[in-house]
Amino acid sequence: NAGVTQTPKFRVLKTGQSMTLLCAQDMNHEYMYWYRQDPGMGLRLIHYSVGEGTTAKGEVPDGYNVSRLKKQNFLLGLESAAPSQTSVYFCASSPGLAGDFYEQYFGPGTRLTVT
Amino acid sequence: RKEVEQDPGPFNVPEGATVAFNCTYSNSASQSFFWYRQDCRKEPKLLMSVYSSGNEDGRFTAQLNRASQYISLLIRDSKLSDSATYLCVVILYGNKLVFGAGTILRVKS
Repeated sequence: NAGVTQTPKFRVLKTGQSMTLLCAQDMNHEYMYWYRQDPGMGLRLIHYSVGEGTTAKGEVPDGYNVSRLKKQNFLLGLESAAPSQTSVYFCASSPGLAGDFYEQYFGPGTRLTVT
Repeated sequence: RKEVEQDPGPFNVPEGATVAFNCTYSNSASQSFFWYRQDCRKEPKLLMSVYSSGNEDGRFTAQLNRASQYISLLIRDSKLSDSATYLCVVILYGNKLVFGAGTILRVKS
């Protein structure tokens, strides 16, 4: 099993450009998440999904959109990139609620720089 | 006040030492707690869950103090391979996770 994979690993965008980050998991997990990690701050939840066809906003959703058309994939889109979106983006999946002590499995991350 | 606070460190300790980190949380309704480990430029990975009764896994012990609203992680007999950033995670309910910014541990020979 590959676990959670993310594409691409690195990307440099110019302000105003758009891109889509792809997350895929092969563990048949219902729940999937997108986080961003910035220096000196904890991971912050952008959007999450509790199942195929569902999405919900997290703590910092502005400037991002997501889709979960297939259970195994969770896409994060940036419609018009801004320098404030320079960050490391992590995707995660879990078989159940974190509140019920289910582990989150993270992908290797995407390092995005917006100039 | 941040929802979850950790001493950023770094904690520099020699091999074989015992080291402890605390993590304080602000919401008394928090229901579940974890410690994750993150190596440099890698993804976070679960280290251990923190139950009300505490949790021990080999050299690692996690405790929860609800009255004072903190969790702790104790590492005994530190190894070079324990060098990493340790992330405290607090769950208010369901999937509302709040991550601390992490504590850096450096174990030196």
